[in-house]
Amino acid sequence: QVQLVQSGGGLVKPGESLRLSCTASGFTFSDHYMNWIRQAPGKGLEWVSYMSGSGSDIYYTDSVKGRFTVSRDNTKNSLSLQMNSLRAEDTAIYYCARDRDGDYGVAEYWGQGTLVTVSS
Amino acid sequence: QIVLTQSPSASASLGASVKLTCTLGRGHSTFAIAWYQQHPEKGPRFLMKVDSDGSHDKGDGIPDRLSGSSSGAERYLTISSLQSEDEADYYCQTWNTGIRVFGGGTKLTVL
Repeated sequence: QVQLVQSGGGLVKPGESLRLSCTASGFTFSDHYMNWIRQAPGKGLEWVSYMSGSGSDIYYTDSVKGRFTVSRDNTKNSLSLQMNSLRAEDTAIYYCARDRDGDYGVAEYWGQGTLVTVSS
Repeated sequence: QIVLTQSPSASASLGASVKLTCTLGRGHSTFAIAWYQQHPEKGPRFLMKVDSDGSHDKGDGIPDRLSGSSSGAERYLTISSLQSEDEADYYCQTWNTGIRVFGGGTKLTVL
C-alpha cells in the first residue's frame, strides 16, 4: 500500500535552515507529482510546492520563492524540502502528498505531517 | 489568481444531510475541484474529485453517503445520514498549470 513517511522538522530560530524529507513506498515514485502542503496552527491548508516525477515541473507559492527548494531522488523514492531563511510565519505542520493516479493536481495520499516551529 | 470560497462553518443534526459549498472565482467556473476532510489533530484525507458537469470520482473507502455535485461555479459535497465522525473540517481545492489552491475550509459540526 502507498506510504509516505516524513522526517525532519523541529524548532529553529528565524533565519535558520531546516530540511524535510519524505520517503515513499508502495508505488512507482517517479510516475507521480509530489507535493509539500502546510498548515499553520489553527489555520487552513496552503500548497507550498510541487514537483513532477521527472523534476522538470516545479512550483512554489510566492511566500517561499527564493527561500525553499524542493528536490527528489527517484532512485531512493524520496522527496525533500530545503527551507532556508526561515521566518516565524513558516511555522506550520508540513505534509508531503502524492498526486492521484491520472489526476494532476489532486493530493490523494498524505504523509503523517511534521511540525516546523520558527521562534527565537 | 484562482479563488475558492467556502463558508467558515456549517452544522446539521445527527442522521440528517448537509450540503457544503465551494464557489469558484470569476473566470474559473469550469474548473474541477477536490474535497478533503480533516479531523482535529489529524492529516487531511482525500474524499473526491468533482467536475464541472457534476460527476464525481471518490477516493478509496469513501462511503456512498458522501457525494459530489456541481452547479455553475459552485461545487458541492453532500453528506447524508450524518454521523458523529463526520464532524471535521472540509476543504475544497483546485488547480491549473502552475498553481494549486485551497479554499479556506468549512468546519462542520454535527449536532
